[in-house]
Amino acid sequence: EPEVTQTPSHQVTQMGQEVILRCVPISNHLYFYWYRQILGQKVEFLVSFYNNEISEKSEIFDDQFSVERPDGSNFTLKIRSTKLEDSAMYFCARGTGTGRTDTQYFGPGTRLTVL
Amino acid sequence: EDQVTQSPEALRLQEGESSSLNCSYTVSGLRGLFWYRQDPGKGPEFLFTLYSAGEEKEKERLKATLTKKESFLHITAPKPEDSATYLCAVQALVAYKLSFGAGTTVTVRA
Repeated sequence: EPEVTQTPSHQVTQMGQEVILRCVPISNHLYFYWYRQILGQKVEFLVSFYNNEISEKSEIFDDQFSVERPDGSNFTLKIRSTKLEDSAMYFCARGTGTGRTDTQYFGPGTRLTVL
Repeated sequence: EDQVTQSPEALRLQEGESSSLNCSYTVSGLRGLFWYRQDPGKGPEFLFTLYSAGEEKEKERLKATLTKKESFLHITAPKPEDSATYLCAVQALVAYKLSFGAGTTVTVRA
């Protein structure tokens, strides 16, 4: 059973359009992450979000990206003006936030296709 | 920058043929090393966390071990349902993000 669900499962958009990807935790968690995986490549970290604030972000996470938790439950990743190279699987993960490490449990992903 | 290198890239096994996957890492202080399984088109599925050299974890036919520079995932008597891509990731002391390797794709033939 997934720790988080993600919607939509597949999003097709035109270059330059805005997209919003959603992550819905099964229970109330504080630690969230977004990763992406371009086809055939490594899983790459984008951003981490703790207690409604960005705690860390990668070089990939530039001004075209934003994250928020608008209703205290759903967790969204917005890409303002999509580019062809944004085509990838986007994974949300929730962290445990306890113990020595933060074990991360991934959702099923959203496949984003930019045309 | 944290570096994770996995080998081999692909592994084809006969059912019952045991083998090992390698994960070499460089990190400025290891908080934890993680193994995930990923099926095509799906999200990574958590398998193990290892914290320190000498540690071992087991789950069914899988056993993960850790040294100061490498981790191994041993697959004992694999079955076709063990076919997947196995990902290794490290988490540094300074951050909680995961840095992933490229993975090893395992195919087990009946």
